[in-house]
Amino acid sequence: QKEVEQNSGPLSVPEGAIASLNCTYSDRGSQSFFWYRQYSGKSPELIMSIYSNGDKEDGRFTAQLNKASQYVSLLIRDSQPSDSATYLCAVGGNKLVFGAGTILRVKS
Amino acid sequence: EAGVAQSPRYKIIEKRQSVAFWCNPISGHATLYWYQQILGQGPKLLIQFQNNGVVDDSQLPKDRFSAERLKGVDSTLKIQPAKLEDSAVYLCASSLSGGFLQPQHFGDGTRLSIL
Repeated sequence: QKEVEQNSGPLSVPEGAIASLNCTYSDRGSQSFFWYRQYSGKSPELIMSIYSNGDKEDGRFTAQLNKASQYVSLLIRDSQPSDSATYLCAVGGNKLVFGAGTILRVKS
Repeated sequence: EAGVAQSPRYKIIEKRQSVAFWCNPISGHATLYWYQQILGQGPKLLIQFQNNGVVDDSQLPKDRFSAERLKGVDSTLKIQPAKLEDSAVYLCASSLSGGFLQPQHFGDGTRLSIL
């Protein structure tokens, strides 16, 4: 079992729709959870961090964490073509582990 | 605030040659990380420094990879000799402090191609 699992996609959504990206993790002791966006040929860019159960909203982005289910998700509202990228989930316990990422394509 | 600086951006070498990468973290960030990202995969931690000491190098192939962070600021990562499977993007990241509650900020990376 991989430590951090993401569906590789691609996830295709129409412009203006909600994109939902999911991530599961295996280490129950994990304490910090991050979402990074990575454009092709670029480095990962931090977009959200979440540390406690529930939802955290920042603009069009909402991160959701459920530690009991070992599940973290990222919702992108009003998706734009510029949101097309790979989204990496990273989970921090005694080390930071990245998933392989989900490719998101927003169609105009 | 200046971000994490890395050089070179691209490097092409032949297998068995050596190569070195340089990283300058965000000012004031005590913790520095080197990651390897192979195409289609997430970044994999190679080594973590806290100031100028090594915190974790468990995934660093020590027979060919070495890294140092003299004076607790800049860092270099070296590969000698390079193998074909070392073709990847090498990312440097920094954070204010160790532990994984602090988010990490990445540089633009060095894309390494081994011929």
